[in-house]
Amino acid sequence: DTAVSQTPKYLVTQMGNDKSIKCEQNLGHDTMYWYKQDSKKFLKIMFSYNNKELIINETVPNRFSPKSPDKAHLNLHINSLELGDSAVYFCASSPGDRVYNEQFFGPGTRLTVL
Amino acid sequence: QKEVEQDPGPLSVPEGAIVSLNCTYSNSAFQYFMWYRQYSRKGPELLMYTYSSGNKEDGRFTAQVDKSSKYISLFIRDSQPSDSATYLCAMSAPLLLEAGSYQLTFGKGTKLSVIP
Repeated sequence: DTAVSQTPKYLVTQMGNDKSIKCEQNLGHDTMYWYKQDSKKFLKIMFSYNNKELIINETVPNRFSPKSPDKAHLNLHINSLELGDSAVYFCASSPGDRVYNEQFFGPGTRLTVL
Repeated sequence: QKEVEQDPGPLSVPEGAIVSLNCTYSNSAFQYFMWYRQYSRKGPELLMYTYSSGNKEDGRFTAQVDKSSKYISLFIRDSQPSDSATYLCAMSAPLLLEAGSYQLTFGKGTKLSVIP
């Protein structure tokens, strides 16, 4: 009965590879997000999707691309991985596009690029 | 200057102490102020949120917002070892791109340890 789930939990890969992280929420929320938390624990929003439309796109490299097959899923694809991409990636969801509403976070995916 | 500044700590206190956690910010457009708690190797979870200036109390937790000083605080009374976590302040302001859309900006988080 997990509200927001992510797979995989850990991802270790070589530089230059392409990888994906999956996210699913069973809360019926309208908006989903991807955050990056670096080694200093700084949590920064990368993308958000509302009704399958991108409404926030921070200045992240275009090697990162969110894909939303339906309202309950927001996957993150990363091409040509770099050392600096190593971080914990969190998926989150909220009831609407008003972020003062509670955001529910997944458990995180710890990505290590070697 | 970063939009939201938060002392990362670590902060270590004895059980039963009163804890004060703070953030300052520079964007006067922020309207909603939140505190998230993140346990080790877990995702953040919302602890409290307030709108504009004032105080809000929930059990042992009190959130304060002073918009004139651009300063927010979280107080924890009678701290418990189970309060040991990283506390992140977060703030939101309306995006100019789309009416009704809000962007969330987090502080770096303060790591708190409550020693039994």
